[in-house]
Amino acid sequence: NAGVTQTPKFQVLKTGQSMTLQCAQDMNHNSMYWYRQDPGMGLRLIYYSASEGTTDKGEVPNGYNVSRLNKREFSLRLESAAPSQTSVYFCASSEVSFSNYGYTFGSGTRLTVV
Amino acid sequence: AQTVTQSQPEMSVQEAETVTLSCTYDTSESNYYLFWYKQPPSRQMILVIRQEAYKQQNATENRFSVNFQKAAKSFSLKISDSQLGDTAMYFCAFIPNSGYSTLTFGKGTMLLVSP
Repeated sequence: NAGVTQTPKFQVLKTGQSMTLQCAQDMNHNSMYWYRQDPGMGLRLIYYSASEGTTDKGEVPNGYNVSRLNKREFSLRLESAAPSQTSVYFCASSEVSFSNYGYTFGSGTRLTVV
Repeated sequence: AQTVTQSQPEMSVQEAETVTLSCTYDTSESNYYLFWYKQPPSRQMILVIRQEAYKQQNATENRFSVNFQKAAKSFSLKISDSQLGDTAMYFCAFIPNSGYSTLTFGKGTMLLVSP
């Protein structure tokens, strides 16, 4: 009964380092998403994958890449981390992208870039 | 593009009282869905309540209810009999019922419930 699992939960990076945030869901959902949450900004969509084999940019895609590895897994990569990427990152999933039941969220990753 | 506006960055209420959080949205779509999510200090995003735009009846979930005014594009959340556990950030969100739409969030309202 895991739902959406994100790893790691916390991470500190130095400017210029790279890392990949992992996300997996066990609900057989077709669509998956990456959001970032910053104080006073709400949640903003970085990238999404409406179905296995497709990915699309969201509102704030610069500095990120994604991979839909299979139906269960959707990763977010920071190739060269910058302090502006300090944020809390949420992965989410839904049966379809225009889900009328909303999205199921993971517990988030707090990333600090120094 | 859709926008969601929450005009109250912070609100406070005393235990057992009622509080209303405001949300307005802008869209040209006729069919869509609206949501309120709760984010307690644990950081988990929890779906509180949802509303289908084509339904005139306001949604209710226990102590939580909404006032949906489609013409005014307003979707407020009322919390009755507030409890300490209601202390959280609340986000209003919107999604059109079409194509590859995605969920758009407001900036959030921090609600503090005090004894």
